[in-house]
Amino acid sequence: EDKVVQSPLSLVVHEGDTVTLNCSYEVTNFRSLLWYKQEKKAPTFLFMLTSSGIEKKSGRLSSILDKKELFSILNITATQTGDSAIYLCAVHGSSNTGKLIFGQGTTLQVKP
Amino acid sequence: DTGVSQDPRHKITKRGQNVTFRCDPISEHNRLYWYRQTLGQGPEFLTYFQNEAQLEKSRLLSDRFSAERPKGSFSTLEIQRTEQGDSAMYLCASSFSNTEAFFGQGTRLTVV
Repeated sequence: EDKVVQSPLSLVVHEGDTVTLNCSYEVTNFRSLLWYKQEKKAPTFLFMLTSSGIEKKSGRLSSILDKKELFSILNITATQTGDSAIYLCAVHGSSNTGKLIFGQGTTLQVKP
Repeated sequence: DTGVSQDPRHKITKRGQNVTFRCDPISEHNRLYWYRQTLGQGPEFLTYFQNEAQLEKSRLLSDRFSAERPKGSFSTLEIQRTEQGDSAMYLCASSFSNTEAFFGQGTRLTVV
């Protein structure tokens, strides 16, 4: 069965710290991995990764995929209180429908 | 607002009642998904439409749940004879083929 596991489940840091969130997966037919940020309601899209070793970057956020070791990391540098959220990792797996298999999420709290 | 729109945002219902939620996807998106999310968990896939055809349903979707997308645009999700275990956030997402999915704000259902 396709599975996505995120770690840590929760994290508390102070503003200015750098954090690394982890996502490992087991899927029958991997096609892509996505990261979302969820604050109060809707998950908002951050990155889609399909190729190993190519870093995607957006401001202070970056992500990279390792298809050999079946994991991805999401880095946030110089964290701000506005980065406090749940970060969700999801994978397009064996189904060709585009449905996403999500991990449990990592809850990040950034303290002033 | 041209994002994914869900209605209502909140619904409180008594056990045993029927409820219906609506999702309006991004207009050019051919794929529409329903997910359910409970506290501390990532979203779980429920069902998927490509245009008006419902092509996949999760085994989580009991026979009390039904979804439609009659004209390939908006979709409805109905839950009959609600149970307390149905209390969750119901998220709708849409995408164009295998590109990233965009989520609506969700409908929070509370069954009392």
